[in-house]
Amino acid sequence: EAGVAQSPRYKIIEKRQSVAFWCNPISGHATLYWYQQILGQGPKLLIQFQNNGVVDDSQLPKDRFSAERLKGVDSTLKIQPAKLEDSAVYLCASSPRTGSRYEQYFGPGTRLTVT
Amino acid sequence: GQSLEQPSEVTAVEGAIVQINCTYQTSGFYGLSWYQQHDGGAPTFLSYNALDGLEETGRFSSFLSRSDSYGYLLLQELQMKDSASYFCAVNQGGKLIFGQGTELSVKP
Repeated sequence: EAGVAQSPRYKIIEKRQSVAFWCNPISGHATLYWYQQILGQGPKLLIQFQNNGVVDDSQLPKDRFSAERLKGVDSTLKIQPAKLEDSAVYLCASSPRTGSRYEQYFGPGTRLTVT
Repeated sequence: GQSLEQPSEVTAVEGAIVQINCTYQTSGFYGLSWYQQHDGGAPTFLSYNALDGLEETGRFSSFLSRSDSYGYLLLQELQMKDSASYFCAVNQGGKLIFGQGTELSVKP
């Protein structure tokens, strides 16, 4: 079974530029998550999708971050404009469905550096 | 507010047993999960406790006491490959709130 795919793996941009990340979850997984992991910290949930609907985006900085999951499969996360404090690893995860007993499967992440 | 506390670093020798504690203060608690993350890698699921007691999976065990808002991860017969960061995470019905992580260093 193929895992969660993410691209690009690395991205360097200047502040105020825009950037987009792509995620392809495990086939058949209805729930998709985007996390931000700053160096030395645990992942922080940005947004959770159930199929193509948003379940939780309470911690998404909506003035600069946006995310979509078209057709309930692939997802993109965009930052526009980027700030220095956005430097982090952006992790995508998926699970078969929402619910506490379902483990989350994480992708390798995109390491973003904002200069 | 919500908070999880775990030690920032733990060091142990190969073959030993190590326990990583986690205390939490959150609302909407469904269970406690543990994830392992090697440097530069993706977090991978280790265990999940919804009820009080011990769950064993090979060399790893996890414990939960809901009344004490406390859990731990026990790693036995430590191997060099166990050197990684370990995160406890409160599960809120599918939403995970992660702790800051414990960096485990296994020495020969």
